[in-house]
Amino acid sequence: QVQLVESGGGVVQPGGSLRLSCAASGFTFSSYGMHWVRQAPGEGLEWVASVRYDGVTKFYADSVKGRFTISRDNSKKTVNLQMNSLRGEDTAVYYCAKDTYGDYSFDHWGQGILVSVSS
Amino acid sequence: QSALTQPRSVSGSPGQSVTISCTGTSSDVGGFHYVSWYQQHPGKAPKLMIFDVTKRPSGVPDRFSGSKSGNTASLTISGLQGEDEADYYCCSHPGTYVFGTGTKVTVL
Repeated sequence: QVQLVESGGGVVQPGGSLRLSCAASGFTFSSYGMHWVRQAPGEGLEWVASVRYDGVTKFYADSVKGRFTISRDNSKKTVNLQMNSLRGEDTAVYYCAKDTYGDYSFDHWGQGILVSVSS
Repeated sequence: QSALTQPRSVSGSPGQSVTISCTGTSSDVGGFHYVSWYQQHPGKAPKLMIFDVTKRPSGVPDRFSGSKSGNTASLTISGLQGEDEADYYCCSHPGTYVFGTGTKVTVL
């Protein structure tokens, strides 16, 4: 079955960096777009970034553009989110999510990982 | 891109139907057939309930149905059950992705 497992979260000071990883299994990873979605404490869902199946085309929310970089390694079945210049408002649970085949929705999600930006 | 507008909360008794609206603009909800809905229980990851406005993934009960009219999409839960009590989010894909503000469904 599809599994997505995030790692790399934790506490970081404002202005610092953190790299999240998501390990995928149970499906043909190289055929699907992958995404990061976050949820601040007590708030709603916010799309962060997407990378297409081939790793070439990437999209970012305006709130993270220029600070975050999404990447993938199809040989290792992982998708990463490099987060630089972190701010307090980046504090959230970050979810890795998989494309629904042939559609623009997210049919499987990881359990989420907490990133806390605080001095 | 601004968040899509959903009611903060809706409620219903077991067996009743509830409908959650998701209002956007002609640049997102109204302009594309890519509206999806997610259910999220407290402390859990979201779960896909509806995609492409009306389609249900396998395993989602047919009590859940989606529709769209103009710039507003809707999720209807028929025959409400206790386990349906959760937060629900709509999402549109006008090139990138935009989520709704979220609706808490309470089963009375």
